[in-house]
Parts: sequence; structure tokens; C-alpha cells
Amino acid sequence: GEDVEQSLFLSVREGDSSVINCTYTDSSSTYLYWYKQEPGAGLQLLTYIFSNMDMKQDQRLTVLLNKKDKHLSLRIADTQTGDSAIYFCAESIRGDYKLSFGAGTTVTVRA
Amino acid sequence: KAGVTQTPRYLIKTRGQQVTLSCSPISGHRSVSWYQQTPGQGLQFLFEYFSETQRNKGNFPGRFSGRQFSNSRSEMNVSTLELGDSALYLCASSLERQGGYTFGSGTRLTVV
Repeated sequence: GEDVEQSLFLSVREGDSSVINCTYTDSSSTYLYWYKQEPGAGLQLLTYIFSNMDMKQDQRLTVLLNKKDKHLSLRIADTQTGDSAIYFCAESIRGDYKLSFGAGTTVTVRA
Repeated sequence: KAGVTQTPRYLIKTRGQQVTLSCSPISGHRSVSWYQQTPGQGLQFLFEYFSETQRNKGNFPGRFSGRQFSNSRSEMNVSTLELGDSALYLCASSLERQGGYTFGSGTRLTVV
């Protein structure tokens, strides 16, 4: 199967770290992605990780991949008001040429 | 480097009409894929093209079709529009090897 699941909402205080979680079901996933969508906008690629990696860090973003549990997380350090958005987890499978998305996690940053 | 360009940004159509949406990928990207985003169904894959060939198609009725031109630009067409076709249609492009799909800003289609 290709179901990708995410929690729907996350509220975080400005300056704290945010952790968004995602589970996927297809063990043959090739790449796993995190996208950000702001109101009225398209999808912004934040980062992606190849399925044979455990971790990837890019400035304030850290992606952790637990292949055994099929669990992917995105940590945003020092969360800012501009980080308020919907975050989508997605997976791609070799030879499928498509992304399968989760329902998205709405992150609200409060002062 | 220009990003993925989708035109038009907004469209209002009447039930029964047809519509054509356009997508210009990032220069050098030969894979173009289309997605429909609605509040109820989320992001759903429509189809993917590479070098003018459709390599995969999502679970949508035949009213949804697409094509890709030799310059990698792509169009999607929806015929006999229904109210339920109202959505944000997103196009993404990528290099030949999977990874790093870049999305455009989307076309917001409203069917009345």
C-alpha cells in the first residue's frame, strides 16, 4: 500500500522546536519528502531523504528516518511565525513516477 | 533559474464546459506531473509525463487528460466539467532520476 499518515494539527510556541511525524506503509519507498504550503500558494519543497539514509540536516531542519517502523519526522528548530503553514509528508516509489501524500499537518506558531 | 510556471492562476468555468491548464517546467526538467488538491481528498496524483510519454496515471475518470510537448511543456484538459472538479491543480517537474519534485503555484479552478 501507499498510505501516508500524519497528525492533523500541531501548536508550538515561538522559539521552541516543532516535530512533525509521518508514517508510511510501503517498504520500497525510494525518497521521502517534506513540503510546506502557505495559504493560497503551491507546495514548497523543504527537504527530502533517500530511503537508505537515517538522518539529514539542513539549517533549522532535521529529518529522521526509521525504516524499521516506517516513521519519518521533521524537526524545525527555533520555530518562527513564518513557519506557520501546512506541512506535507510524501513518498515516491521507484518506477511509479509519482508522489503519495499525507493529509498534511497544520502547524500554528503562537507568540 | 525560473521555477515551474502554471497558467492561468485562476479560472472560473461553468458545468459542462471544458478547460485546459498549462505548465512550463524548470529548464532541463523532462518529467512533468499533475496533482489535484481539494479539502476533502487532499493531494491526488493525476498523471506523469516524460519525453512526451505518459508513464503513470492516477485514478481519475477519462474526462481528465494530459499531454506533453517536445519542449517538455505540459497541458492538462478536463472535459464536461463537474462541480466536484473545483480544486487547486498543481504541476511539478523533476529531473530524470526521481527526487526533488518542484511544484508550481497552481491553477485554482472553480466550477459554477
